[in-house]
Amino acid sequence: AQSVTQLGSHVSVSEGALVLLRCNYSSSVPPYLFWYVQYPNQGLQLLLKYTTGATLVKGINGFEAEFKKSETSFHLTKPSAHMSDAAEYFCAVTRISGGSNYKLTFGKGTLLTVNP
Amino acid sequence: DAGITQSPRHKVTETGTPVTLRCHQTENHRYMYWYRQDPGHGLRLIHYSYGVKDTDKGEVSDGYSVSRSKTEDFLLTLESATSSQTSVYFCAIKNTGDNEQFFGPGTRLTVL
Repeated sequence: AQSVTQLGSHVSVSEGALVLLRCNYSSSVPPYLFWYVQYPNQGLQLLLKYTTGATLVKGINGFEAEFKKSETSFHLTKPSAHMSDAAEYFCAVTRISGGSNYKLTFGKGTLLTVNP
Repeated sequence: DAGITQSPRHKVTETGTPVTLRCHQTENHRYMYWYRQDPGHGLRLIHYSYGVKDTDKGEVSDGYSVSRSKTEDFLLTLESATSSQTSVYFCAIKNTGDNEQFFGPGTRLTVL
């Protein structure tokens, strides 16, 4: 079984401040990890992903995330928040092993508010 | 953008009526998924398909059925809609050999 916990359903930052969105996962086998972003009234857009290799992954719009196996974490960061970053962010996990059909398990989401 | 469309985009229906949502892709991807999104729950998998006529249940499949008679279309049916099925429904696709899913624009369904 796999699960995802996103700490903080709502995070508020000032424009220019560091953005840190937390994600912890549980998986019995090596995971693939994803961050998706959802702008109001839109579908989900892939922000970045970790599969294998380098544990620090960079995504679109200046976001990055680091896979830490020992901490079972995949936190999302951005050094300087922009007003356009205001959205809901979802962490998701899937299994690499066969038979999973790449079913994604999502966290409950974190709504990011950016204050001017 | 991945070629995924969902129809209808919005629907209001009454309890007890059947409802079918359609997901259409132009990417020829093998895998297709249906999720529902509810506040405080994130997205939860309803059903998925790993090929034509090959489907399986997700974590919240009760009250839903699916069909995939051709690669490009994946239908989600609510045989008798209930108010608890009021939600936003997203379709996603994934190609063999890839590991990420691409999402459609969503269908907002309201069951009165």
